[in-house]
Amino acid sequence: DAGVIQSPRHEVTEMGQEVTLRCKPISGHDYLFWYRQTMMRGLELLIYFNNNVPIDDSGMPEDRFSAKMPNASFSTLKIQPSEPRDSAVYFCASSLWGPGANVLTFGAGSRLTVL
Amino acid sequence: QKEVEQDPGPLSVPEGAIVSLNCTYSNSAFQYFMWYRQYSRKGPELLMYTYSSGNKEDGRFTAQVDKSSKYISLFIRDSQPSDSATYLCAMSANTGNQFYFGTGTSLTVIP
Repeated sequence: DAGVIQSPRHEVTEMGQEVTLRCKPISGHDYLFWYRQTMMRGLELLIYFNNNVPIDDSGMPEDRFSAKMPNASFSTLKIQPSEPRDSAVYFCASSLWGPGANVLTFGAGSRLTVL
Repeated sequence: QKEVEQDPGPLSVPEGAIVSLNCTYSNSAFQYFMWYRQYSRKGPELLMYTYSSGNKEDGRFTAQVDKSSKYISLFIRDSQPSDSATYLCAMSANTGNQFYFGTGTSLTVIP
């Protein structure tokens, strides 16, 4: 398996623009997570899905953020409109759940810069 | 109080030193304990995984879990410059699927 695949790896955009980040989880993993990482706050959980259904979106900072998982192999995180304070690295991760399987596998991240 | 506490460092050691990285936690329900290594501008990668208490060894790395003290450790023997990275501890409980992360400890191994 190629692991968790994220795109784009880097995104530079201007304030007010829409940003869409994409993730392909590991095949067979039934949980998918979106994290944001900054120097100040470390890794923050934004939202996670189980079997394509959003389970907990309490970490989504505000209504400008939305996430979807239309099928088991694809998820998007959208920011509309983007703001400079959204600049961060966004990680997607996936996992199995069950005895001995509770481990997250991360993608390489999408580095977002909002000017 | 945060669920997981980790000293951010930075930690700087000479090559060959033994490194000790630690996390404390408050939730006694945590059963699964992980250490991730994150190189600069990369995603975190799983380094060690333990279930419940005890020790686990993998090459130069040893993970220890002391549930009575709510304290986990990662030891690196014969540290190498290639070990220079940020190390994040993470843990989860039996119920639900939330993973709780420490803020990470930055380690530099000087040749």
